[in-house]
Amino acid sequence: DAGVTQSPTHLIKTRGQHVTLRCSPISGHKSVSWYQQVLGQGPQFIFQYYEKEERGRGNFPDRFSARQFPNYSSELNVNALLLGDSALYLCASSLVGGSLSYTFGSGTRLTVV
Amino acid sequence: SQQGEEDPQALSIQEGENATMNCSYKTSINNLQWYRQNSGRGLVHLILIRSNEREKHSGRLRVTLDTSKKSSSLLITASRAADTASYFCATDDEGGTSYGKLTFGQGTILTVHP
Repeated sequence: DAGVTQSPTHLIKTRGQHVTLRCSPISGHKSVSWYQQVLGQGPQFIFQYYEKEERGRGNFPDRFSARQFPNYSSELNVNALLLGDSALYLCASSLVGGSLSYTFGSGTRLTVV
Repeated sequence: SQQGEEDPQALSIQEGENATMNCSYKTSINNLQWYRQNSGRGLVHLILIRSNEREKHSGRLRVTLDTSKKSSSLLITASRAADTASYFCATDDEGGTSYGKLTFGQGTILTVHP
């Protein structure tokens, strides 16, 4: 059974551009969370989606948005990219929203130049 | 913002030695988890300890939790070169406003020399 799948693996964008990152959860998992990990720091919570609804939001600007599709996959969108958005973006899936167990994908490395 | 701090920031030991990492946090929690990350890749869940538990074991891992001091420790016994990675604690905050949110520490970089 496949784990959490994220695409693309690596991405280079220019300041001001827009980016879309994708995540496919483990089969049967209905919740997807997104985290941003800047080099040298721990991951920071961006969003959680459960049953296609936003259930939690971290302290990120409105340039960050996400959605969850009927098949429970998810997209994270970031508009007007800044150099400071360069980071590893991690997706985690769980069976339910308030789960104790999260499985993380390998992440998307975004570089903004 | 980061929930807590991990200590030390970096730890270098020889194979066969024990490695101890500490984590402090600020708010009341439901549970605390430890994750491992190799070379900036995805996080791997190691162990979870609930707020009403004081100690838990899993293979070569031993985790303790002291809710009065808001701190936890992760002990890896008989370390191996393959244990080289970054280790993070993460808390699931009691009464948190963000559903399903994990708050991570800064991490400890462990290097085990063969």
